[in-house]
Amino acid sequence: GQQLNQSPQSMFIQEGEDVSMNCTSSSIFNTWLWYKQDPGEGPVLLIALYKAGELTSNGRLTAQFGITRKDSFLNISASIPSDVGIYFCAGTNTGNQFYFGTGTSLTVIP
Amino acid sequence: DAGITQSPRYKITETGRQVTLMCHQTWSHSYMFWYRQDLGHGLRLIYYSAAADITDKGEVPDGYVVSRSKTENFPLTLESATRSQTSVYFCASSEFQREGTDTQYFGPGTRLTVL
Repeated sequence: GQQLNQSPQSMFIQEGEDVSMNCTSSSIFNTWLWYKQDPGEGPVLLIALYKAGELTSNGRLTAQFGITRKDSFLNISASIPSDVGIYFCAGTNTGNQFYFGTGTSLTVIP
Repeated sequence: DAGITQSPRYKITETGRQVTLMCHQTWSHSYMFWYRQDLGHGLRLIYYSAAADITDKGEVPDGYVVSRSKTENFPLTLESATRSQTSVYFCASSEFQREGTDTQYFGPGTRLTVL
């Protein structure tokens, strides 16, 4: 199945720094989703985007639905240790087929 | 509690045994999914269901069987477990309300080891 290209693959940052990651696809999507997965847990939905150009925030997290509908971006401001985990994106057009990114592993150094 | 629950959370079994992983959601979502997550492969779709009594294959269905007699339950059965089925299994659900408002929620996962 199609996997979305997500970058970077991993990040090591100092506490307090901002983080940016992105996800690209060869296909357009109507919906972009961003998840965080902690070790041993299921992915937790962070932000859902439904409109090209849309910018949506959830606390220190901000995500954008790319104008081309083929990409999406996630920013985390002022990172804290509990931000550690794997972040991945997902795109869908139909609700019954979701395509997932390869994941970005985030490590926050106190 | 509301949401998606999976049971068991951990399971160790032997090659050739039948194993059933349970999934239950309380949102009455139409769609339910089973994924497996393996290092290097990310999330791969095994089966999905659009409604009760409607199921369809995903990317990696071989060796798995699903059923959905009730909207809220979507069990996954490994008829004769193999070591290659050692993985973390996630159940998910979504509601396709209208175009562009899809959201998918995941359960906590079942870590299955086949010896």
